[in-house]
Amino acid sequence: DIQMTQSPSSLYASVGDRVTITCRASQGIRNYLAWYQQKPGKVPKLLIYAASILQSGVPSRFSGSGSGTDFTLTIGSLQPEDVATYYCQHYSGAPDTFGQGTKLEIK
Amino acid sequence: EIQLVESGGGLVQPGGSLRLSCAASGFNLISYWMTWVRQAPGKGLEWVANIREDGSETNYVDSVRGRFTISRDNAENSLYLQMNGLRVEDTAVYYCVRTLLRTSSSGGLDKWGQGTLVSVSP
Repeated sequence: DIQMTQSPSSLYASVGDRVTITCRASQGIRNYLAWYQQKPGKVPKLLIYAASILQSGVPSRFSGSGSGTDFTLTIGSLQPEDVATYYCQHYSGAPDTFGQGTKLEIK
Repeated sequence: EIQLVESGGGLVQPGGSLRLSCAASGFNLISYWMTWVRQAPGKGLEWVANIREDGSETNYVDSVRGRFTISRDNAENSLYLQMNGLRVEDTAVYYCVRTLLRTSSSGGLDKWGQGTLVSVSP
């Protein structure tokens, strides 16, 4: 099974900061990677798929990059409503494992 | 409006069984793979199982294989998860999730239900 490792596990940043979360796959997954945002008490929401394609309705301050084993999620200018836990997930073959999550909070 | 509504969760003793249901509306279930994802209290997301559009292929995470069975009834626009031999560690909110086709320009879990809580306790 492919393991997904996110870093950091938690992150404090200020409003307006550029924030980067990384995700590493234990073997190559091409660009078969998605990112999700889960706000406290809410259902997860798909942000990015195919490593870099923004889901419809997601603000353009979110972006994704990477291919193979190393991926990043970037928030260009952090907003208060971005407080959430972010998860990466590969879908290159079952089981479609999630990363352990990165909890993002405002300083 | 696309909706996924789970039901069937509850409190069960270790070794017991539950059958989760997911009623889909607002789209044709037959056009999509479907997935169950779970989240233990205060923990991260865990992929559990998925099923092909026509039900001809199913996949499971190792920890549930042989105990859980995913199935679907496209005529009823419904997805199911039969859970047998439940363990304390199966305690979680279970989400029914629409699954996009896996290609180099598609993929991911785009529509989520609100989830149903399964509690396994003596």
